[in-house]
Amino acid sequence: QVQLVQSGAEVKKPGASVKVSCKASGYTFIGYYIHWVRQAPGQGLEWMGWINPNSGGTNYAQKFQGWVTMTRDTSISTAYMELSRLRSDDTAVYYCARDQRPYDILTGLYKYYGMDVWGQGTTVTVSS
Amino acid sequence: SYELTQPPSVSVSPGQTARITCSGDALPKQSAYWYQQKSGQAPVLVIYKDTERPSGIPERFSGSSSGTTVTLTISGVQAEDEADYYCQSADTSATYYVFGTGTKVTVL
Repeated sequence: QVQLVQSGAEVKKPGASVKVSCKASGYTFIGYYIHWVRQAPGQGLEWMGWINPNSGGTNYAQKFQGWVTMTRDTSISTAYMELSRLRSDDTAVYYCARDQRPYDILTGLYKYYGMDVWGQGTTVTVSS
Repeated sequence: SYELTQPPSVSVSPGQTARITCSGDALPKQSAYWYQQKSGQAPVLVIYKDTERPSGIPERFSGSSSGTTVTLTISGVQAEDEADYYCQSADTSATYYVFGTGTKVTVL
């Protein structure tokens, strides 16, 4: 079945970096955009950006530009999200999620249809 | 930055109808999406493109749009519908996606 499996919980010190992985299975990895969303304790959802697994192209939310990096390794159907210069308020559950529809690889046309498959979430705790 | 505003909470008795609104300036141009998140779980997409329901989502979930406000309606609410609900949409340039502030639905 279609699923996204994320890496395990992380504990980091302020100023460090964290890299979370998201392994896809059950579908053609390069055909669907991957989004990253985070949720601080007791707070709402926050969209961080997306990556096109085929081209490696990215689009980051303005808040995260300059300190988030999204990459992928198509050989192992895995997407990554790296956040640098961590602060205590980066403590959150980080989710990867897949677009509901494939994008047109031939034309590059992308239309968003919502995120229908989510990873289980990775808890990142930033504490000194 | 672009914002989507939702009421913090909605309370409804079983079998009644719950309506959750989401307001944003770009909503007349951009589609809305709704997610349900139960405690300790990942979100689930319940409505896409304003009114469409993904396969497997019960018919009691429906979406509508009017001007700068979109609405998620849950008809015949069941105890299992108790959750947080988030709208999502894009800014006017369709570049950045944002989530609404979230609404906690309590089934009395």
